[in-house]
Amino acid sequence: GAVVSQHPSWVICKSGTSVKIECRSLDFQATTMFWYRQFPKQSLMLMATSNEGSKATYEQGVEKDKFLINHASLTLSTLTVTSAHPEDSSFYICSARDEPTHRYTEAFFGQGTRLTVV
Amino acid sequence: RKEVEQDPGPFNVPEGATVAFNCTYSNSASQSFFWYRQDCRKEPKLLMSVYSSGNEDGRFTAQLNRASQYISLLIRDSKLSDSATYLCVVTSDSGGYNKLIFGAGTRLAVHP
Repeated sequence: GAVVSQHPSWVICKSGTSVKIECRSLDFQATTMFWYRQFPKQSLMLMATSNEGSKATYEQGVEKDKFLINHASLTLSTLTVTSAHPEDSSFYICSARDEPTHRYTEAFFGQGTRLTVV
Repeated sequence: RKEVEQDPGPFNVPEGATVAFNCTYSNSASQSFFWYRQDCRKEPKLLMSVYSSGNEDGRFTAQLNRASQYISLLIRDSKLSDSATYLCVVTSDSGGYNKLIFGAGTRLAVHP
């Protein structure tokens, strides 16, 4: 099946620094990718929809200037957490679907990135 | 009210037991429904889609009741390897995209 690769799988950074997370679709082209965040014992919360060649669409309450999304090619989307703070520590997961507008298309997830800000 | 609600559990069951999970969703316009499985500190993986007529895949049976906005998952003959968190997922059409909305998940622990 389709594979989505996410890197790094974990990162520890100091408060105030920025962290970049990459999400790649390995065997299909993803015009759209989705970024989620998951806090312990909570559900995956959609942060933004990443669109190849255009601006990302952010969910309500997600700061677009803090979570920078770039979708420069059909196989790569990046999420940069700028000026990270301890409250940004979380599990970040990307997802892509072959046909994002088709309702029953399976979503494939990256392995996730566990971010710890100290 | 959350868009997708699940009993968080945990459900502690012995091997061989039958266990049922329930899920309700608030958006009556939701069109498609799934159960995903998530192991600890891992990404979610699709377990099965849920169709209006109900569907079965081996030991797993999923049911959908659109009138009640209710989805269920039945696991028969539980195995130790079934221990995981089961996520109820519905889709929402927004801005031309079909987005996945996740429930918080129900934890299942199968013991010998």
